[in-house]
Amino acid sequence: EPEVTQTPSHQVTQMGQEVILRCVPISNHLYFYWYRQILGQKVEFLVSFYNNEISEKSEIFDDQFSVERPDGSNFTLKIRSTKLEDSAMYFCASTRDPNQPQHFGDGTRLSIL
Amino acid sequence: AQKITQTQPGMFVQEKEAVTLDCTYDTSDPSYGLFWYKQPSSGEMIFLIYQGSYDQQNATEGRYSLNFQKARKSANLVISASQLGDSAMYFCAMREVNTGFQKLVFGTGTRLLVSP
Repeated sequence: EPEVTQTPSHQVTQMGQEVILRCVPISNHLYFYWYRQILGQKVEFLVSFYNNEISEKSEIFDDQFSVERPDGSNFTLKIRSTKLEDSAMYFCASTRDPNQPQHFGDGTRLSIL
Repeated sequence: AQKITQTQPGMFVQEKEAVTLDCTYDTSDPSYGLFWYKQPSSGEMIFLIYQGSYDQQNATEGRYSLNFQKARKSANLVISASQLGDSAMYFCAMREVNTGFQKLVFGTGTRLLVSP
């Protein structure tokens, strides 16, 4: 069964550094999302992306964050200057139709030192 | 205001028994979808079951069923014949069709522990 793939599984970065989290959504899916989950807390929406543009973003998704679909398969989340509070699990999700369930990747655990 | 409320931080059940995980929601959008996801200790999010607000029947997927009570705004997950591998965090989530674009709003989760 096709699945959403995220790399790396764990990223350790110094505060202030840029980080890029990568996702390969399911190939025939058109809607893409990033969520994050701070340790022990609930999953929070960051941004949704459709037709090569952001369709919605949350208050968390400030100017430090950006998303890109650089080619036909990858979907990336960039954090420009990481802060300690960016430490979390970041999930990519995709769906073919927004009325259908979103399929999540296994997540990237981001640790900011 | 909380859109999704899961009032049980933890639940215990014995193997082979059934368990109900509670979820209530709040929305003024007449069109919405309700989802349950399982998160094992390894961290991935696994989709379990979906209920649309206009669906007439309660959703079922194998051992999972959703007890959807629209008037009470509840969407409880029922797991029948619990297995040790069901031990995990369970999240209820909602998507509002007309007002929430496509994002999922999650509850705080319920940790289920299945004992032998």
